[in-house]
Amino acid sequence: DQQVKQNSPSLSVQEGRISILNCDYTNSMFDYFLWYKKYPAEGPTFLISISSIKDKNEDGRFTVFLNKSAKHLSLHIVPSQPGDSAVYFCAASHSGNTPLVFGKGTRLSVIA
Amino acid sequence: EAQVTQNPRYLITVTGKKLTVTCSQNMNHEYMSWYRQDPGLGLRQIYYSMNVEVTDKGDVPEGYKVSRKEKRNFPLILESPSPNQTSLYFCASSLWTGASGYTFGSGTRLTVV
Repeated sequence: DQQVKQNSPSLSVQEGRISILNCDYTNSMFDYFLWYKKYPAEGPTFLISISSIKDKNEDGRFTVFLNKSAKHLSLHIVPSQPGDSAVYFCAASHSGNTPLVFGKGTRLSVIA
Repeated sequence: EAQVTQNPRYLITVTGKKLTVTCSQNMNHEYMSWYRQDPGLGLRQIYYSMNVEVTDKGDVPEGYKVSRKEKRNFPLILESPSPNQTSLYFCASSLWTGASGYTFGSGTRLTVV
């Protein structure tokens, strides 16, 4: 049973517009959430995170929103740039001794 | 430079021929893990280790072995590789399991024919 779901395998956005990537989770014990970005031929790299005590975390062009009641988080990228084209993975953890659980990823294409 | 190093980057092998993919980190991380990435399936955890001599199965451990004799190294062993183990493999490490985030290696693309 998938505990972290990214239901959109791909997303295309025009350069300069907002990209919104969505992630849903089923395990109510998760209390820490992360987004990773992956370019072809490279390993995933950490992008931004949020703990369950917050509902928003911002880092430059990237903002993650957490809606605990809906078990939903989203990553907003504003403005989108061609270099943002990559696969984005959502991940979740129950803080302490549980490994990260990853979603299947969403491929973002930013079109110039 | 803080990094996770995997070797080899690319490997083509034949069914049944034992192989080892090495993983080494220079950040003194306690936690290390192996993932495989397959189209449409995302990142699936194979094995993980919370510290030296402590390993545990992830979601897809069948056909794989690991060892953690030293803190910095976490090799992935395929005793008898099969074509369904053709995949892209990533090693990752972190200070602890969850909140600190993982540092990933660059990946090993394995093809078993």
